Amino acid sequence: NAGVTQTPKFQVLKTGQSMTLQCAQDMNHNSMYWYRQDPGMGLRLIYYSASEGTTDKGEVPNGYNVSRLNKREFSLRLESAAPSQTSVYFCASSEVTGNTEAFFGQGTRLTVV
Amino acid sequence: QKEVEQNSGPLSVPEGAIASLNCTYSDRVSQSFFWYRQYSGKSPELIMSIYSNGDKEDGRFTAQLNKASQYVSLLIRDSQPSDSATYLCAVNPRNAGNNRKLIWGLGTSLAVNP
Repeated sequence: NAGVTQTPKFQVLKTGQSMTLQCAQDMNHNSMYWYRQDPGMGLRLIYYSASEGTTDKGEVPNGYNVSRLNKREFSLRLESAAPSQTSVYFCASSEVTGNTEAFFGQGTRLTVV
Repeated sequence: QKEVEQNSGPLSVPEGAIASLNCTYSDRVSQSFFWYRQYSGKSPELIMSIYSNGDKEDGRFTAQLNKASQYVSLLIRDSQPSDSATYLCAVNPRNAGNNRKLIWGLGTSLAVNP
């Protein structure tokens, strides 16, 4: 059971570089999420997708874009990385948005220098 | 006032004791409540979900929900050193415009001492 798979696990970027974080789930879930987690800040929602074909902003969307490629895949793109985007990023999925359990990928530790 | 509040800890209990973790929330119409465990450097892992007032038991874990008092708690019986982690409380507030997103507490750090 793969569950939610994120790639890469680690990444170092220089300021201004771009990258895409990939996420795929094999649980046939409708909803997918991208969070970032920083010390003392907890989990903060960046973007989410309630269903295939829809995306919505979360608490901290600035500097990010997302694509719900199909029901399985939800990617997060940093167009021009900034040191403030140094964080641990988690992808998650749930059967429906909010009211059901969310399952997380293993995380991506991103450092922007 | 934060929407979901947890004592940051650390909460320290001896091995074999009961660990009690608490979470309060501000939105009275909240419908769904979740407890996650997060080991250092790892992703959050679902432990329990609870939707109705009262207790819900799963092995050594019991979730307790009191909607009138707006709190949800997690009891861990016979605590083991392997339970040492940060425990995150998440709430679905279900108010207009926000019913799609879980609200997360900052977590309580638990240390179980052998």
